[in-house]
Amino acid sequence: EIVMTQSPATLSVSPGERVTLSCWASRSLSTNLAWYQQKPGQAPRLLIYGASTRATGIPARFSGSGSGTEFTLTISSLQSEDFAVYYCQQYNNWPPWTFGRGTKVEIK
Amino acid sequence: EVQLVESGGGLVQPGGSLRLSCAASGFTVSSKYISWVRQAPGKGLEWVSVFYIDGSTSYADSVKDRFFISRDDLKNTVHLQMNSLRVEDTAIYYCAISSTTFDHWGQGTLVTVSS
Repeated sequence: EIVMTQSPATLSVSPGERVTLSCWASRSLSTNLAWYQQKPGQAPRLLIYGASTRATGIPARFSGSGSGTEFTLTISSLQSEDFAVYYCQQYNNWPPWTFGRGTKVEIK
Repeated sequence: EVQLVESGGGLVQPGGSLRLSCAASGFTVSSKYISWVRQAPGKGLEWVSVFYIDGSTSYADSVKDRFFISRDDLKNTVHLQMNSLRVEDTAIYYCAISSTTFDHWGQGTLVTVSS
């Protein structure tokens, strides 16, 4: 099973700031990595797949990069609606599909 | 419009059973992988089980031999039969269209295992 690690666990930022979230895999994923956003009381929403491709309807301020074992999700200018928990998920070796523990982006 | 609606959650004692349902609309469940993913209170996401297009299934080690996934093509619904429930199975259970990524999610149904 591939273990996914996310850092930091919590990030305190101000609206308008640039945010970078990190995700590491215990084995190489090539670019088989997705990112999700989850707001309180809601189901997760797919943001990024293929490490860098935005899902349908996702704003351009969200971008993903990386390959192998190291990945990043960047929000270029944080909006109020972006305060949420972000999860990475691998789909290079499945089952099982595995997720990181998440990074909570909160208001500073 | 693609929609998934979960039902069947509730309070159950340890050792008990519960059957969750995931009713789909806007597509046919037989044409997609359908997974169950759970989230314990205040915790992250854990994949639980998948029903593949060819009718085969897979399970997480944590639920193997206790949970069973099935598909009803006539009702366009996927079920998760949960037996021998443990306190640690307490979670919101989501169904999702899954191939490699989890593209569409339902709103979830809460399962609480407690005496």
